[in-house]
Amino acid sequence: NAGVTQTPKFRVLKTGQSMTLLCAQDMNHEYMYWYRQDPGMGLRLIHYSVGEGTTAKGEVPDGYNVSRLKKQNFLLGLESAAPSQTSVYFCASSYSGTGKESYEQYFGPGTRLTVT
Amino acid sequence: QQQVKQSPQSLIVQKGGISIINCAYENTAFDYFPWYQQFPGKGPALLIAIRPDVSEKKEGRFTISFNKSAKQFSLHIMDSQPGDSATYFCAALNTGTASKLTFGTGTRLQVTL
Repeated sequence: NAGVTQTPKFRVLKTGQSMTLLCAQDMNHEYMYWYRQDPGMGLRLIHYSVGEGTTAKGEVPDGYNVSRLKKQNFLLGLESAAPSQTSVYFCASSYSGTGKESYEQYFGPGTRLTVT
Repeated sequence: QQQVKQSPQSLIVQKGGISIINCAYENTAFDYFPWYQQFPGKGPALLIAIRPDVSEKKEGRFTISFNKSAKQFSLHIMDSQPGDSATYFCAALNTGTASKLTFGTGTRLQVTL
């Protein structure tokens, strides 16, 4: 099992350019999440999905869009990149059931994005 | 508004010492409190978690202490090792809300020889 994978690992964009980050998981998890990590701010939830075809806004959704066309994939889009979106982006997935084991989130290795 | 406050921001501990990281939360609807460990260049990984119906949980050298009335919880790393050097995040979750975690700001731990 590869777990959670993210593509690409690194990217440099100019202000105004667009890009899509791809997250894939092979654990058959219902829930998927996109976070951004900035120094001194921890991880902040951008968008999340509770199942194929459904998405919802998290804590910091502005400037981002997402899609979950397939259960195993969760895409994060930046339509017009801004320097404030320079960050490390993490995707995560989790099981949707109840019980203590179901709340663990499995994280990908991250994408380091720089917007100049 | 930061719902989970974490301290200290950084911590240096000698090998064999005890590392202590503290967190406080505001939302009384939180009912699951995990700690995640992150090594440089990697994604966070679950280290240990606790429910509010117990005051302490121990797994090996790692212990969570939980004080429900004070809305505080802490991570204790006993016999700290250089391999424990990482960033630690506390988090909190309302299990009724699609498993949306609220993270603390992180503590960078360095264990010296």
